Amino acid sequence: DGGITQSPKYLFRKEGQNVTLSCEQNLNHDAMYWYRQDPGQGLRLIYYSQIVNDFQKGDIAEGYSVSREKKESFPLTVTSAQKNPTAFYLCASSMGSWVDDSPLHFGNGTRLTVT
Amino acid sequence: QKEVEQNSGPLSVPEGAIASLNCTYSDRVSQSFFWYRQYSGKSPELIMSIYSNGDKEDGRFTAQLNKASQYVSLLIRDSQPSDSATYLCAVNKRGSTLGRLYFGRGTQLTVWP
Repeated sequence: DGGITQSPKYLFRKEGQNVTLSCEQNLNHDAMYWYRQDPGQGLRLIYYSQIVNDFQKGDIAEGYSVSREKKESFPLTVTSAQKNPTAFYLCASSMGSWVDDSPLHFGNGTRLTVT
Repeated sequence: QKEVEQNSGPLSVPEGAIASLNCTYSDRVSQSFFWYRQYSGKSPELIMSIYSNGDKEDGRFTAQLNKASQYVSLLIRDSQPSDSATYLCAVNKRGSTLGRLYFGRGTQLTVWP
């Protein structure tokens, strides 16, 4: 079955450590996205990538980094520079940003807790 | 002004009633509109998309779009306790260099038996 796999489901880290969240998709989608969700909040865009080896900052990119070396993979690194990293992180993909009628498909999310 | 605004709720309806969820958007060039359902602790799942003015029905769900009023709604008929979730409205803007969806904060719906 095609889908988006995020791992791990839960992640615990000490403050000051970098951590990488994995996102893999087998939907053959060109575009991939990372969102952050805090309790009672909507989804805020961190980074997105429309094509391999290219990515753009979203609304809250500070303290995060990404790479897109393969079409299927879009890992997110939460660095120690991110002031409030504890959140629910969602990876998504779509056929492509130039396809207007292209809904997002989401992975199951990674819940990151930093203490 | 936020790109997408939803009535904050929470919205509580009895089982069998019609639940009405509303969303307004700020940019007139918006072209594609989506409703996602998110259960507590889970990721959003797409339940409806609408692109043209008017109504679109899918089972117990009806999406309504009025581009002149910049308004999109979701009606859930014969509401069930399993419909209890947060509903997110999302909008895509044609020609946006970002090519992204803009999400509202969501409306929490509770359907009580």
